[in-house]
Amino acid sequence: RKEVEQDPGPFNVPEGATVAFNCTYSNSASQSFFWYRQDCRKEPKLLMSVYSSGNEDGRFTAQLNRASQYISLLIRDSKLSDSATYLCAVNRESNYQLIWGAGTKLIIKP
Amino acid sequence: GAVVSQHPSRVICKSGTSVKIECRSLDFQATTMFWYRQFPKKSLMLMATSNEGSKATYEQGVEKDKFLINHASLTLSTLTVTSAHPEDSSFYICSARVFLAGGDEQYFGPGTRLTVT
Repeated sequence: RKEVEQDPGPFNVPEGATVAFNCTYSNSASQSFFWYRQDCRKEPKLLMSVYSSGNEDGRFTAQLNRASQYISLLIRDSKLSDSATYLCAVNRESNYQLIWGAGTKLIIKP
Repeated sequence: GAVVSQHPSRVICKSGTSVKIECRSLDFQATTMFWYRQFPKKSLMLMATSNEGSKATYEQGVEKDKFLINHASLTLSTLTVTSAHPEDSSFYICSARVFLAGGDEQYFGPGTRLTVT
């Protein structure tokens, strides 16, 4: 089993819809979780950190479920500009190195 | 967010030559930087962790003599791909660890696309 797993998609979603992704992780001792966005042939950009209590930033909501060992990202009122690959990252136990999922590709259609 | 630059953004070199990639933190000091490579439609693969003033820590399967890392200052880490071969062609990305009150975050450079002919 991979340390961090994501559905590769693509998710084809109409503009204005709500879409959610999950990311599962195998190491129960992981402490830090992140969602990054990566556009084609570009570097990943931090979208949001995921806190235990969940957090929201505008149209984006991130949640952590420790019992089931997954994090989620919810995008409301999706825009064409949200089309990208969304990567989740989880820290390794007791250090600050991140383990990355392979990414979920999102395509927002007009 | 913190700004990380990377140079060059694109390089084409002949097989057998060496290529140096620079990663700089522009508005903060980075005691720890990371080097990744990414193949098309694949995940980021951590190659090594670069610590200022000490030897880099390489991931299993990454040849330290082939991928030389130097982190001589708090704002600069370099990756040198020695005796490059076509299979080394990839997207190389560095990131810098940023210390925050709520926890660490990583910010990425724009990446270097290496093509070895």
